Amino acid sequence: QAVVTQEPSLTVSPGGTVTLTCGSSTGAVTSGHYPYWFQQKPGQAPRTLVYDTSNKHSWTPARFSGSLLGGKAALTLSGAQPEDEADYYCLLSYSAVCVFGTGTKVTVL
Amino acid sequence: EVQLVESGGGLVQPGGSLRLSCAASGFTFNNYWMHWVRQVPGKGLVWVASINSYGSTTDYADSVKGRFTISRDNAKNTLDLQMNSLRAEDTAVYYCACVRVDVWGKGTTVTVSS
Repeated sequence: QAVVTQEPSLTVSPGGTVTLTCGSSTGAVTSGHYPYWFQQKPGQAPRTLVYDTSNKHSWTPARFSGSLLGGKAALTLSGAQPEDEADYYCLLSYSAVCVFGTGTKVTVL
Repeated sequence: EVQLVESGGGLVQPGGSLRLSCAASGFTFNNYWMHWVRQVPGKGLVWVASINSYGSTTDYADSVKGRFTISRDNAKNTLDLQMNSLRAEDTAVYYCACVRVDVWGKGTTVTVSS
């Protein structure tokens, strides 16, 4: 089963920009992996931020955007807010299997 | 209100069985793939199983293949996870989710211990 790797932790200043990445042990991440991004705050269920690489729901803050970058899926947070401090997970689809990434803890400081 | 409500968690001995259920409301359940995701408190999310909108295609993580069965009843808007031959490492909070439309349950706790 593939291993999906994310940065363990990232720190961003309020109002700053940070990019989280999601890499696959099988090679480059493509749109065919239908990358998802989720946000999870302590004690809460996850929330879906981005689906199919870059699509957002109407409730996803505009400061979040998804893309493919250098063979990885990426989630960029532009204009970080204190409420964005959370754990972030990507999810990749491999034909009949889905795999979550290892997760990134984002600190806004 | 759009929601998913899980039930059926609890304490079970190793080798035992448990059936989780998830009741959906407020969205067109039979339009979407559904998923079970688990998480050990303080650890990351782990995908467990998925089922397509018709219930005709099911996928499983290697760690549960052959032991867990996902199913759905579109007439009743319910999703189930039958868990057999449970192991200590299956202990976790189990979420049902429709990730495509961002609907998640609050989770139900499964503890496998003697």
